[in-house]
Amino acid sequence: DTGVSQNPRHKITKRGQNVTFRCDPISEHNRLYWYRQTLGQGPEFLTYFQNEAQLEKSRLLSDRFSAERPKGSFSTLEIQRTEQGDSAMYLCASSRTSMGDNEQFFGPGTRLTVL
Amino acid sequence: SQKIEQNSEALNIQEGKTATLTCNYTNYSPAYLQWYRQDPGRGPVFLLLIRENEKEKRKERLKVTFDTTLKQSLFHITASQPADSATYLCALPDNAGNMLTFGGGTRLMVKP
Repeated sequence: DTGVSQNPRHKITKRGQNVTFRCDPISEHNRLYWYRQTLGQGPEFLTYFQNEAQLEKSRLLSDRFSAERPKGSFSTLEIQRTEQGDSAMYLCASSRTSMGDNEQFFGPGTRLTVL
Repeated sequence: SQKIEQNSEALNIQEGKTATLTCNYTNYSPAYLQWYRQDPGRGPVFLLLIRENEKEKRKERLKVTFDTTLKQSLFHITASQPADSATYLCALPDNAGNMLTFGGGTRLMVKP
């Protein structure tokens, strides 16, 4: 396993459309995180899963955002009725709870542009 | 929630000098603090972790300090190289250790 992968790497969509991103974590990692990052800012936490259970969601996360990790492996992040303010880099990260220190391994991100 | 401050202005230094980046936080002192490196268009990469009971941690040319009284961590790169040019992010866990809050990052530019 070479690391966390994300698809697509880039997505351009029109306002009002729905988009879905996929993240494949490192296989032995039971935790999976989604972040959003805009230019000049650090990653902003959106949500995380431990195995298939979604344990935390940011209070800032709009109802238009939903994430799943159906079998505790890959995860999808869907944004419904996209808005121009959703334009950002969406990062996925994974980690092992046994590591204790929560070192997170990030994917390359999906860059979303909403026109 | 934790508020983290990193110098938003880019740090420009000459090759061979030591770069020092600062991370300040405002609320509770976390069990540990992490530093990540991020290159343009890529995800962050973990560099170092320092625990609350550790004053200093080293890894090759990197050194991190953690002062829970000042609520501050310093990140040093000695003998800096142009390849060290990147954005450096500090991150702190929540009380349960489940989530990380990231600072805004400091961009480092090392000139040859």
